[in-house]
Amino acid sequence: AQSVAQPEDQVNVAEGNPLTVKCTYSVSGNPYLFWYVQYPNRGLQFLLKYITGDNLVKGSYGFEAEFNKSQTSFHLKKPSALVSDSALYFCAVRDIDAGNNRKLIWGLGTSLAVNP
Amino acid sequence: GAGVSQSPSNKVTEKGKDVELRCDPISGHTALYWYRQSLGQGLEFLIYFQGNSAPDKSGLPSDRFSAERTGGSVSTLTIQRTQQEDSAVYLCASSNGQGRWGYTFGSGTRLTVV
Repeated sequence: AQSVAQPEDQVNVAEGNPLTVKCTYSVSGNPYLFWYVQYPNRGLQFLLKYITGDNLVKGSYGFEAEFNKSQTSFHLKKPSALVSDSALYFCAVRDIDAGNNRKLIWGLGTSLAVNP
Repeated sequence: GAGVSQSPSNKVTEKGKDVELRCDPISGHTALYWYRQSLGQGLEFLIYFQGNSAPDKSGLPSDRFSAERTGGSVSTLTIQRTQQEDSAVYLCASSNGQGRWGYTFGSGTRLTVV
């Protein structure tokens, strides 16, 4: 069965420091992987995705994520955090071989707090 | 429209009343999803529509919850005899049929049952 794990409920980082939000997944085949961000009282916004190709994916707001097949991970990273990056981050996966079942499977979210 | 539109944005209702939440997906998107998000929590899948196929209702928490999608476009999520535990943000998303590009979410409806 497909699953996504975000092992950290909360991540705290100082402004200007690099940040990492972790995500691991389990699918039967090759995955489509996504990161979304939710700012307070807002809907979810797409950040970036991995479908195929280069393992390092660059997305919105300076974020990037690295697909690591051997470790089944897709950690979200940013070289220098901003206070405005403070939000809830969700990782999601879809099995390429999902057939007619094309739902994304979502992690529980990681709350990122960037301290000034 | 340019994005996924949900209405109302906020709804306060009395316990026991029925409510209807509306989602207008992106034009041309064949897939539509409803999720529920409790305060500070993750996404709880409710129901999924894909084209003319029978919807995947596996996430509906009780028979008080139902949804329909008319004409393959607008969807309505109905909650009958609302309970306080139904209070949450209800999010709608749509995607093209393949879902390769992820979902586009609406801003949600914040439901408060008092």
